[in-house]
Amino acid sequence: EIVLTQSPGTLSLSPGERATLSCRASQSFSSNYLGWYQKKPGQAPRLLISAASRRATGIPDRFSGSGSGSDFILTISRLEPEDFAVYYCQQYGGSFGQGTKVEI
Amino acid sequence: QVQLQESGPGLVKPSGTLSLTCAVSGDSISSNNWWSWVRQPPGKGLEWIGEIHQSGRTNYKASLKSRVTMSLDRSKNQFSLKLTSLTAADTAVYYCARGSPIIMGFDSWGQGTLVTVSS
Repeated sequence: EIVLTQSPGTLSLSPGERATLSCRASQSFSSNYLGWYQKKPGQAPRLLISAASRRATGIPDRFSGSGSGSDFILTISRLEPEDFAVYYCQQYGGSFGQGTKVEI
Repeated sequence: QVQLQESGPGLVKPSGTLSLTCAVSGDSISSNNWWSWVRQPPGKGLEWIGEIHQSGRTNYKASLKSRVTMSLDRSKNQFSLKLTSLTAADTAVYYCARGSPIIMGFDSWGQGTLVTVSS
């Protein structure tokens, strides 16, 4: 089973700043299987990025994903107030990372 | 628009069995998608439990495999999760989700249902 490790655990930033979140896998896999989700309290997770870099329907272009092999990155170019949440990477059909909390 | 809705008891006893159902509207469970379960224990992260395809093929998280069964009910367009030998560690919000092999992600989710394991 592939283990995904996200860093940092918490990112303290201000609106308008850039957020860079990392997801590292215990072994390489196809980037087609890497997704990113946003999770807010009391809400279901929301798919942001699939196949490492493909934005899901309706996701603003300030969200972008990159990476391959075992290292993946989610970038939020300019944080909006609604972006403060927990972000998870996932190998599609497998485990999630432990999450990165983006807080003000 | 695809909608998923979980249902089932909110309280189950230790050593008992959790049974949840996810009703699907706006899509057929016989379509070429994977129907999945994800949970989140209080204060913790997301955990993928497993998935079932319209063919009946299943994939389960290795550490839960001995306790998990997923099934389809085509007549009601819903799918189900059974988890046995429950402990307090199984207390969580349980989500059902649609996994699209085209999008390669969970593109539709239920609202989630809290299941508490307690005597």
